[in-house]
Amino acid sequence: QVTLRESGPALVKPTQTLTLTCTFSGFSLTSTGMCVTWIRQPPGKALEWLARIDWDDDRFYSTSLKTRLTISKDTSKNQVVLRMTNMAPVDTATYFCARYRVIRGADSYFYMDVWGKGTTVTVSS
Amino acid sequence: SYELTQPPSVSVSPGQTARITCSADALPNQYAYWYQQRPGQAPVLIIYKDIARPSGIPERFSGSSSGTTVTLTIRGVQAEDEADYYCQSVDITGIYVVFGGGTKLTVL
Repeated sequence: QVTLRESGPALVKPTQTLTLTCTFSGFSLTSTGMCVTWIRQPPGKALEWLARIDWDDDRFYSTSLKTRLTISKDTSKNQVVLRMTNMAPVDTATYFCARYRVIRGADSYFYMDVWGKGTTVTVSS
Repeated sequence: SYELTQPPSVSVSPGQTARITCSADALPNQYAYWYQQRPGQAPVLIIYKDIARPSGIPERFSGSSSGTTVTLTIRGVQAEDEADYYCQSVDITGIYVVFGGGTKLTVL
C-alpha cells in the first residue's frame, strides 16, 4: 500500500524559511518513473503545483516560485524535503505531497495517483 | 502563463448527469487529468489520460476530449459526489503542472 505523509511546522513567521518533509512508503524513489511532487492550496482557493523531484534526481519548480523553492530527497529514509524561503502571509495554505508517476513510451503520460492528507501552514507574526 | 478554465460551479439533482468542462489552448496536445476533492480531504485522481479511470473509481465517472475542451461527466449523480473537481494538465514543455480553478459540484 502506497502512503505519503507531510510533516512540518504549523506556524511560521514572515521572512522565515519553511521546511516540509514528505515521508512515503510502498514505493521506491529510485525506481524508473517514480517521482514525488508538492502542491499547495490556500484556504478556499485552487490547487497550485510547486515542485517535483524524479527518480533520477531531476528537479522541476513552479516558474513563479522557483527562486524560493528547493526540493531534495533522501532515498534511504524514503523522504522528500521541500524548502520555501522568505515566507509571507500569502503562503498560508495546506501543503500536499503526492506520488507522481511518469509513464514513458510511444504514448507518454503521467499521473499523481496517491496524495498525502496535507499539512496546514499558517504564516503570521 | 498557461491556464485551464473551469466553471466555478455546477448544480444537479440526484440521479441526473453532471458535466464539468475544462478549456485551454494546449489541451489538444497534452492529456488532461481530473481530481475530486471532498471538503477537508486530499484530492483523489478520478480520470487520467483524458478518459482513463483508475481502479476503484466508479464507472459513473467518465472523461472525454474534444479540441481545446475536456469534459468530466458524472452519470447518476449521488449525494456523495458533492465536492470540488479540478482538471489538471501540463504546459507545452510537458513539465510544468497546471490546475484549473476548480468547479464546485452541488447536489441539490
